[in-house]
Amino acid sequence: DTAVSQTPKYLVTQMGNDKSIKCEQNLGHDTMYWYKQDSKKFLKIMFSYNNKELIINETVPNRFSPKSPDKAHLNLHINSLELGDSAVYFCASSPGLDPTDTQYFGPGTRLTVL
Amino acid sequence: QKEVEQDPGPLSVPEGAIVSLNCTYSNSAFQYFMWYRQYSRKGPELLMYTYSSGNKEDGRFTAQVDKSSKYISLFIRDSQPSDSATYLCALNDYKLSFGAGTTVTVRA
Repeated sequence: DTAVSQTPKYLVTQMGNDKSIKCEQNLGHDTMYWYKQDSKKFLKIMFSYNNKELIINETVPNRFSPKSPDKAHLNLHINSLELGDSAVYFCASSPGLDPTDTQYFGPGTRLTVL
Repeated sequence: QKEVEQDPGPLSVPEGAIVSLNCTYSNSAFQYFMWYRQYSRKGPELLMYTYSSGNKEDGRFTAQVDKSSKYISLFIRDSQPSDSATYLCALNDYKLSFGAGTTVTVRA
């Protein structure tokens, strides 16, 4: 049983295209996140949602738009893709916003922009 | 300057050696300190967390926090080839801030 799943696993696309990544968690958690991991493995938070409400919006270009249709899903839409968007994008979830709550990560989506 | 500094390595050790990993941080607001392990092409998974200065042990793993020096460490005793992974320190105030990760290879 996959706790946090993401689709697609790999995404190769041209500059300027628009793409979406989907995330689903079956853990019953209230909070979900998107992280970006660059080629040097540096992992940085982009967004977090709690009960479908945006809680954290780090300094991310507004070409990136998250959407949470319900507590179990958090999708990421990226407009006008740029070379620098190439990275691995991880979705994560946690029971709530308590800093001691464990975050569970999905397997990642490897995005390559050509 | 990054909030959390971690030497990316790589670190290569023989099986059975002690692995020592560390991070420094600048923000005194951090109260919770975690170590995540990330195998190649997988998502990170929580290894250990602590919220006070001192040591915390879990099997072969020991996490150490020194808040006065803003320094955290992870020690792996009797390292095994299955411990080969990237280890990321993570500090939490209202969000998780990760170090760059240290890639460790344990040679059989």
